[in-house]
Amino acid sequence: AQTVTQSQPEMSVQEAETVTLSCTYDTSESDYYLFWYKQPPSRQMILVIRQEAYKQQNATENRFSVNFQKAAKSFSLKISDSQLGDAAMYFCAYRSYHSGSARQLTFGSGTQLTVLP
Amino acid sequence: DAMVIQNPRYQVTQFGKPVTLSCSQTLNHNVMYWYQQKSSQAPKLLFHYYDKDFNNEADTPDNFQSRRPNTSFCFLDIRSPGLGDAAMYLCATSRDYATGMNEQFFGPGTRLTVL
Repeated sequence: AQTVTQSQPEMSVQEAETVTLSCTYDTSESDYYLFWYKQPPSRQMILVIRQEAYKQQNATENRFSVNFQKAAKSFSLKISDSQLGDAAMYFCAYRSYHSGSARQLTFGSGTQLTVLP
Repeated sequence: DAMVIQNPRYQVTQFGKPVTLSCSQTLNHNVMYWYQQKSSQAPKLLFHYYDKDFNNEADTPDNFQSRRPNTSFCFLDIRSPGLGDAAMYLCATSRDYATGMNEQFFGPGTRLTVL
């Protein structure tokens, strides 16, 4: 079974600064997908960014980018120019490429990000 | 806007009193999921439907049941809620899972309190 570890329960960043959230995972599979989801207080979880394991190029979505290190099984999220609206719980998630288990997202325990004005 | 809607947003029930949470979607997605999320923890998948095909996770308690009468609606029934069932319940949808990249769209959740 796959596991996802987020070792930072809480992080804080000054507005306009850059912050990196870490995520590591354990899998024996070679093909899989990785996601970062954001869950703001009292609002629904939304997808921030996703990465296919077979792609070497790191995914980027505006101010959000990832550092995907397949050999190290690491998938960190970098938020540049942090904004107050970035304050949320961030979950790293893994999904198998294969059917059957592909139905399930395995989530990490989350990192609570505070943005300081 | 196409979306995932959960009602009610807050639900209070008494110990042992059956409760039903509802989820509807306007995305016309084939797959609907129910997650349980306890405070400061990761969401835990309870079960999901692919169309009418029900898939239960192995460790989901028998106390939890689900119904999907049509594509748009899915219900979570808790037959005899215990104090340990107090949590946020998240509904999510995806177009299918033929490819793992299919994004899951989440509703805002229903926070269940058990007295």
